[in-house]
Amino acid sequence: QVQLMQSGAEVKKPGSSVKVSCKTSGGTFSSYSFSWVRQAPGQGLEWMGGIIPIFVTTHYAQKFQGRVTITMDESTSTVYLELNTLRSEDTALYYCAGGSNTNWYMKHWGQGTLVTVSS
Amino acid sequence: SYEVTQPPSVSVSPGQTASITCSGDKLGDKYTSWYQQKPGQSPVLLIYQDTKRPSGIPARFSGSNSGSTATLTISGTQATDEADYFCQVWFSTTVVFGRGTKLTVL
Repeated sequence: QVQLMQSGAEVKKPGSSVKVSCKTSGGTFSSYSFSWVRQAPGQGLEWMGGIIPIFVTTHYAQKFQGRVTITMDESTSTVYLELNTLRSEDTALYYCAGGSNTNWYMKHWGQGTLVTVSS
Repeated sequence: SYEVTQPPSVSVSPGQTASITCSGDKLGDKYTSWYQQKPGQSPVLLIYQDTKRPSGIPARFSGSNSGSTATLTISGTQATDEADYFCQVWFSTTVVFGRGTKLTVL
């Protein structure tokens, strides 16, 4: 069973960037797809994009195209989310989630990383 | 862009059956998953590929998907089932979540 451990909380200024990491353990990295899902305070879940390590492919939600980059480091079994040009509306809990590498359901979830955007 | 619709809230009495729907255009042609989220916790996968249940998920959680509606059914609802429930749809490279349904057990 893969376990996902995310980096700690971040406080950022509007216009800056943030990079959140998700280190995986206990599973075969290439067996999974990994998604980034965010949840604004009191709101629902929003898929931002994902990566499939075995195919080295990334997919992004249209809303975040051009502002988000998802990368991976296979040597450390870590997935990264970078979000640019931050605005106050990006304040949210960001989750890393993993599932089968043939589809996009999410069986394994990280603990979440709180990103606060404030001047 | 593709959207799915869930009722904002559903109420059920303990021991009764709760049904939470997720509606979208030709949803039955796509795979639907369901997640449970309790306050302060990460979501938990309940159902994937419309009807499959991960190991460790009680059999009282079941799913169906046909036409334009997917349904999560909770049989013999317990007080501990009070939570937010989200449907998720994926097709091609698109992944969409519903806005969530708050289940109240009273």
